[in-house]
Amino acid sequence: EIVLTQSPGTLSLSPGERATLSCRASQNVGSTYLAWYQQKPGQAPRLLIYGASSRATGIPDRFSGSGSGTDFTLAISRLEPEDFAVYYCQQYGNSPFTFGPGTKVDIK
Amino acid sequence: EVQLVESGGGLVKPGGSLRLSCAASGFTFTTYSLNWVRQAPGKGLEWVSSISGSSGYIFYADSVKGRFTISRDNAKNSLHLQMNSLRGEDTAVYYCARGGSGNVYLIDWGQGTLVTVSS
Repeated sequence: EIVLTQSPGTLSLSPGERATLSCRASQNVGSTYLAWYQQKPGQAPRLLIYGASSRATGIPDRFSGSGSGTDFTLAISRLEPEDFAVYYCQQYGNSPFTFGPGTKVDIK
Repeated sequence: EVQLVESGGGLVKPGGSLRLSCAASGFTFTTYSLNWVRQAPGKGLEWVSSISGSSGYIFYADSVKGRFTISRDNAKNSLHLQMNSLRGEDTAVYYCARGGSGNVYLIDWGQGTLVTVSS
C-alpha cells in the first residue's frame, strides 16, 4: 500500500498570501497519478487537480499542482477567503487508491 | 449537470448489514468508474472501493475486503455497496464519486449518506 504524507498538518496564512502544500508518497506513484481535493466543513470534497498538474473544470488558475514520482506540491498563489479549507492528496496509480491525512489551511 | 445521490444509510448494530445505493445522472454512465469513499466523524477521507464501467475491474480497501461488495446496474444508472459484518469503525459518511475516464481520480461527488454502527 502506498502511504501518503502531507505537510504541514495546519497552515495558518492571511488572505492574499501564497500557500504551498506538500504530499509525499512512500513509493513512486508515477508521473501523473496524483490528485488534490478541497473540502469545506459539511461539504463533499471537490476535485482541484488531477494528473499531478491538470486543473479540473472550473478551478481558478491560482491553484497549481506540480511534482512527480514521490514528491508533489499544491500551490495557491493568492489565498481568497473561500480557499480556507482542508486539502487532501490522493494517489490512483495503484490499488488501494489512498488519500493523505490532509492539510488544513486556516486564517491567521 | 452531473448528479450523484446516495441513499440507504442509517443506524445498524455491530455485525449487521446495510446496502447503500447511488443514483447517477447527467453523464454517460458506462464510460466512467464509480467509487465509494468514506469519512469517519472528524477524520480524513478513506477510499473504500471502485468499479469500472463494465464491472470488469473491482478494487477494495483492505479494511473492507471480504465484507463489502460493490456493484453497478448500468441499465438503471445506479451504484450499490453491500456492507456485511459491520463494525464500529465502519461508522462514517459514505460518498459516491464518479471517477475519471479509465482512472480513479474523483471528478464528481454526491453529498454522502451517514452510516452509524452502534449497539
